[in-house]
Amino acid sequence: AQTVTQSQPEMSVQEAETVTLSCTYDTSENNYYLFWYKQPPSRQMILVIRQEAYKQQNATENRFSVNFQKAAKSFSLKISDSQLGDTAMYFCAFMKPTRVGNQFYFGTGTSLTVIP
Amino acid sequence: DTAVSQTPKYLVTQMGNDKSIKCEQNLGHDTMYWYKQDSKKFLKIMFSYNNKELIINETVPNRFSPKSPDKAHLNLHINSLELGDSAVYFCASSDLRGPYEQYFGPGTRLTVT
Repeated sequence: AQTVTQSQPEMSVQEAETVTLSCTYDTSENNYYLFWYKQPPSRQMILVIRQEAYKQQNATENRFSVNFQKAAKSFSLKISDSQLGDTAMYFCAFMKPTRVGNQFYFGTGTSLTVIP
Repeated sequence: DTAVSQTPKYLVTQMGNDKSIKCEQNLGHDTMYWYKQDSKKFLKIMFSYNNKELIINETVPNRFSPKSPDKAHLNLHINSLELGDSAVYFCASSDLRGPYEQYFGPGTRLTVT
């Protein structure tokens, strides 16, 4: 089974600063996808960014970008110009497509607090 | 329009009762999932179902059972509720053909007293 590790249970960042959340995973698969999800206090799970393993270029979505290191099995999330609304739980997820269904594996999450 | 909806959002019940949580998605996805999120925010997959095959996490007690009346719905039935079942339950859906991200419902907070 795949494992996803988020080694930072809690982090904080000053508003307008940059923060990086780490994620590592363990797999023997070559075809897979990686995601970061955000869960604000409202508890709604929101997709932040996705990365296809076959793409070497790091994905970016506005202030959010990833550093995808396939050989190192690392998938960190960088949040630039942090805003108060970024305060949330962040989950890293690994997905392996299969014939019968896409299998998702989530990390334990990192609680991020943006300090005014 | 809500992509993935769940009802109810809050459910308070007593031990031993049987309850159901409904989930509907209007995205045309072919795979639906149920997750349990405990008080430490850990997300645990319970079931995935794609109209052809049900994949069950072996750690899920058989008091939990998913029921899919059609492709757009995957309801969660829980029999003989226990205190340890208190958690937030999330329904999600995705497309087997891609794009592969999961879309989540708003969650149902279940409290067993």
